[in-house]
Amino acid sequence: DAGVTQSPTHLIKTRGQQVTLRCSPKSGHDTVSWYQQALGQGPQFIFQYYEEEERQRGNFPDRFSGHQFPNYSSELNVNALLLGDSALYLCASSLQLNRGQREKLFFGSGTQLSVL
Amino acid sequence: DAKTTQPNSMESNEEEPVHLPCNHSTISGTDYIHWYRQLPSQGPEYVIHGLTSNVNNRMASLAIAEDRKSSTLILHRATLRDAAVYYCILSREYGNKLVFGAGTILRVKS
Repeated sequence: DAGVTQSPTHLIKTRGQQVTLRCSPKSGHDTVSWYQQALGQGPQFIFQYYEEEERQRGNFPDRFSGHQFPNYSSELNVNALLLGDSALYLCASSLQLNRGQREKLFFGSGTQLSVL
Repeated sequence: DAKTTQPNSMESNEEEPVHLPCNHSTISGTDYIHWYRQLPSQGPEYVIHGLTSNVNNRMASLAIAEDRKSSTLILHRATLRDAAVYYCILSREYGNKLVFGAGTILRVKS
């Protein structure tokens, strides 16, 4: 049973460019969350997708957008890249339980984005 | 989101128990206490969670103070593979948005 898979593993972009990161959730999971982890810091929540809609959002600008597909996979898009966007981007999947609660998160190994 | 306070780093000897503390004095009655760990070059990994009672699973034990203002993650026999950053996180909604702090870097000596 494959866990959460992310692609690509590494990416180098220049300032002002746009990037798309991809995530396939663990089999049976219906919810995908994205986190940004700067070097030496804990992950920061970007947003969560369920039923192809953004359900929760952290304190990130509109340059960060996402999408969830009918097969539950997800993309994270970042426009107008800044040097400060250089980070490890983590995808996490989970399964919705009752009353909005979800099972524990399973994380992928992340995409390391470098902006030059 | 209520905040947690953890030591920056801790060191343990292999095959000895490790007690990782976490203070959360502003915890609310509906906050779950989660522990995740992040091994080098990997994403975070779920360890354990609890609400009020102590919890045990195959990886660790979670001891929650009676007033819930602190908790302790217990690794019963540390191995070199347990060297990681351990995060203590409070969340009002189990499995939803998690607010990570800086965590505790655990070093295990052979």
